[in-house]
Amino acid sequence: SQQGEEDPQALSIQEGENATMNCSYKTSINNLQWYRQNSGRGLVHLILIRSNEREKHSGRLRVTLDTSKKSSSLLITASRAADTASYFCATAYGFTGNQFYFGTGTSLTVIP
Amino acid sequence: ETGVTQTPRHLVMGMTNKKSLKCEQHLGHNAMYWYKQSAKKPLELMFVYNFKEQTENNSVPSRFSPECPNSSHLFLHLHTLQPEDSALYLCASSDDSGFSVEQYFGPGTRLTVT
Repeated sequence: SQQGEEDPQALSIQEGENATMNCSYKTSINNLQWYRQNSGRGLVHLILIRSNEREKHSGRLRVTLDTSKKSSSLLITASRAADTASYFCATAYGFTGNQFYFGTGTSLTVIP
Repeated sequence: ETGVTQTPRHLVMGMTNKKSLKCEQHLGHNAMYWYKQSAKKPLELMFVYNFKEQTENNSVPSRFSPECPNSSHLFLHLHTLQPEDSALYLCASSDDSGFSVEQYFGPGTRLTVT
């Protein structure tokens, strides 16, 4: 399976702290994306990092990619209660790169 | 989420019923997807349509039948479902004029099979 697997499965932190989530995958990828899902809702794209990139920033988000270890991390700095959600990594594969494997996600709770 | 809409948001159906889920995207995308999200399991890709043509069917049982009449609409026809088919069904779309781009998801339909 090429599925991404997030770690930890659940994370609880105080508001203002940083949250780090990790993702591991099994085979070569075109890119890796992170998505957020609020309870029972659709997924929202956060950030995409291509296989030739090592680090990317977007606002309070920082994503790293280590293709040699087949792993990625998502760092959310200065967390807010509104960041409470599940976070998924998705690895893109296939000829057109539009076929994604998602992991089971990390459930993040930010305590006000 | 407003770019991709799904109806109904909640559906309860018996195993002998026939129902359909509808997805509509207002983003001008040319690829649409159905995913199944069950508790404690990874999101599962079910079907992929590119320019209205089905390009992927991930070994989905025939009791799930997709239909894509045009690039903006996607249906999932359901019949003789099983209780284990209860899940959140998510529709997504993307613009495949580029390579490996992000997908935009609808809010999902929460399906309960009784």
